[in-house]
Amino acid sequence: DAGITQSPRHKVTETGTPVTLRCHQTENHRYMYWYRQDPGHGLRLIHYSYGVKDTDKGEVSDGYSVSRSKTEDFLLTLESATSSQTSVYFCATGRGGETQYFGPGTRLLVL
Amino acid sequence: SQQGEEDPQALSIQEGENATMNCSYKTSINNLQWYRQNSGRGLVHLILIRSNEREKHSGRLRVTLDTSKKSSSLLITASRAADTASYFCATDSFSLNTGFQKLVFGTGTRLLVSP
Repeated sequence: DAGITQSPRHKVTETGTPVTLRCHQTENHRYMYWYRQDPGHGLRLIHYSYGVKDTDKGEVSDGYSVSRSKTEDFLLTLESATSSQTSVYFCATGRGGETQYFGPGTRLLVL
Repeated sequence: SQQGEEDPQALSIQEGENATMNCSYKTSINNLQWYRQNSGRGLVHLILIRSNEREKHSGRLRVTLDTSKKSSSLLITASRAADTASYFCATDSFSLNTGFQKLVFGTGTRLLVSP
């Protein structure tokens, strides 16, 4: 897993509540990514970061925000969770377009 | 938007047989990658093939790339039960707006290898 951990690994929450997922890496990678994985859609990029405090939107960024205050941590926040955000979330590191290394994932259920 | 599409969606074979999965993509690429995902786990990188390469091997894996047809195939020879997993292709996609190069993943092929 290239030194990538995600927390929590599982979470159940209610619609309308805020949720923050954390990704921590120990390899000092500059680039970090958040993806969501849903049946029939494969992995879709939510947000990515190309350095501390440097982030940008991916293809499915609505309803999500991110922050990166340290190289090793990349946080994904659902400001007000909706049922459509029930998914498995993966963090990854690696240079854009090249090999990426994935964390173990976080299963989120929004009731 | 999905760049890569794998075929078949699901494949069931016996141990010892070969497994072939295909990936088609839409736009020009610099490289194409294959990843494996075991149930409930993150993706693991298997192999990367660049646009100027036609074939690449890694152990029991053989990847081909045909840029004229915008397609790639992953062959797993002498499959084992431990090869049971989902396999995804991923292509690089460059944004002129942001100058950022990202990976775009297909929807995957589920491979089941029975003992």
